Amino acid sequence: KQEVTQIPAALSVPEGENLVLNCSFTDSAIYNLQWFRQDPGKGLTSLLLIQSSQREQTSGRLNASLDKSSGRSTLYIAASQPGDSATYLCVPQYGSGNTGKLIFGQGTTLQVKP
Amino acid sequence: DAGVIQSPRHEVTEMGQEVTLRCKPISGHDYLFWYRQTMMRGLELLIYFNNNVPIDDSGMPEDRFSAKMPNASFSTLKIQPSEPRDSAVYFCASSLRTEYSNQPQHFGDGTRLSIL
Repeated sequence: KQEVTQIPAALSVPEGENLVLNCSFTDSAIYNLQWFRQDPGKGLTSLLLIQSSQREQTSGRLNASLDKSSGRSTLYIAASQPGDSATYLCVPQYGSGNTGKLIFGQGTTLQVKP
Repeated sequence: DAGVIQSPRHEVTEMGQEVTLRCKPISGHDYLFWYRQTMMRGLELLIYFNNNVPIDDSGMPEDRFSAKMPNASFSTLKIQPSEPRDSAVYFCASSLRTEYSNQPQHFGDGTRLSIL
């Protein structure tokens, strides 16, 4: 069964800290992997997409790495800000293109305190 | 650019009633997805359409659930009759297929459904 586990489930840090969110997936035969952000009462926003052949992707203060063979991905957030407070979801895709199946983890809920 | 638009944002109704959720995808997107999110099960794909045609409805929980996409700019998810265990947040997402694939799905803000 294809499952995603995210650790920790919740995290509270003071503003300015660098932090790492961890994700593991049981089936390493992924097509790609995305990190999404979900704000309370809102939908999901795609932050980063890593192809299965890639090792990492960067966008601003965010860096996502992928170790496909071991079934792991991490999201690194540098110099965290209160506006980063949200739930972060690690979402591997199995199968190609837009018809691939997305498997959602339960997410890590991040609170960044001013 | 307008994103994916869902309505209503909140729906509270009594069990047994028919519920209709609506979605307007991003203009030009040819894939549309319906998801359900609960605390216990997280996000689950219910059904998706390509060019208005249902492709995979294996995630639809029961015959009480049905989805339609009469045109490229509108889709509905209907529950009849509704039950308390249908209470969840329902998301609609759309995406654009290109020769490069891997286009991210764009999500609406969801409909929070409560069945009493």
